[in-house]
Amino acid sequence: EIVLTQSPGTLSLSPGERATLSCRASQSISNNYLAWYQQKPGQTHRLLIYAATSRATGIPDRFSGSGSGTGFTLTISRLEPEDFAVYYCQQYGTTPLTFGPGTKVEI
Amino acid sequence: QLHLQESGPGLVRPSETLSLNCIVSGGSISSGGYYWVWIRQPPGKGLEWIGSIYYSGATYYNPSLNSRVTISVETTKNQFSLNLRSVTAADTAVYYCARHLQGSDVFEIWGQGTKVTVSS
Repeated sequence: EIVLTQSPGTLSLSPGERATLSCRASQSISNNYLAWYQQKPGQTHRLLIYAATSRATGIPDRFSGSGSGTGFTLTISRLEPEDFAVYYCQQYGTTPLTFGPGTKVEI
Repeated sequence: QLHLQESGPGLVRPSETLSLNCIVSGGSISSGGYYWVWIRQPPGKGLEWIGSIYYSGATYYNPSLNSRVTISVETTKNQFSLNLRSVTAADTAVYYCARHLQGSDVFEIWGQGTKVTVSS
């Protein structure tokens, strides 16, 4: 099973700032099959990025993904008030499909 | 717009079977060639993939739960279901249903989740 570690656990930033979230895998992720999700209280999970770098439908271009192998990054170029949330990474290169523990981005 | 809604009891006794349904509205569960999935999140812990099902009934499960889980689909009711047998307190979690992104093991559309507590 591939174990995903996310850092930091909590990121305290202000609107307009840049957010950089890290996701590290215990072994190389096949085909860079790494996705990112956003979760806000009272809302359903939102798929942001898949295949490490591809934005899902309707996702603003301030969200970008990068990385390969065992190290991946989600970058939010300029935080909007609605971006304060918890972010999860997920690998789907190998079953079982696994998730990271999450990074909370707070004001 | 596709909408998924989980339903089922919020309290299950230890050793019994946890049964949940995911009702799909705004689209047909059997069109488009999508897989459908159950995911859970125990309190204070991360998300855990339980298993996925195609509209035809083909399934694949997390090996850690494989011996206790069955996911099934009822196309006539436009829903799919989760049965988890012999539950313990460790199965207490928020349970989510979702739809895969077409051709991928990524989850595009999620339900709100339903909290299930295992307790006597």
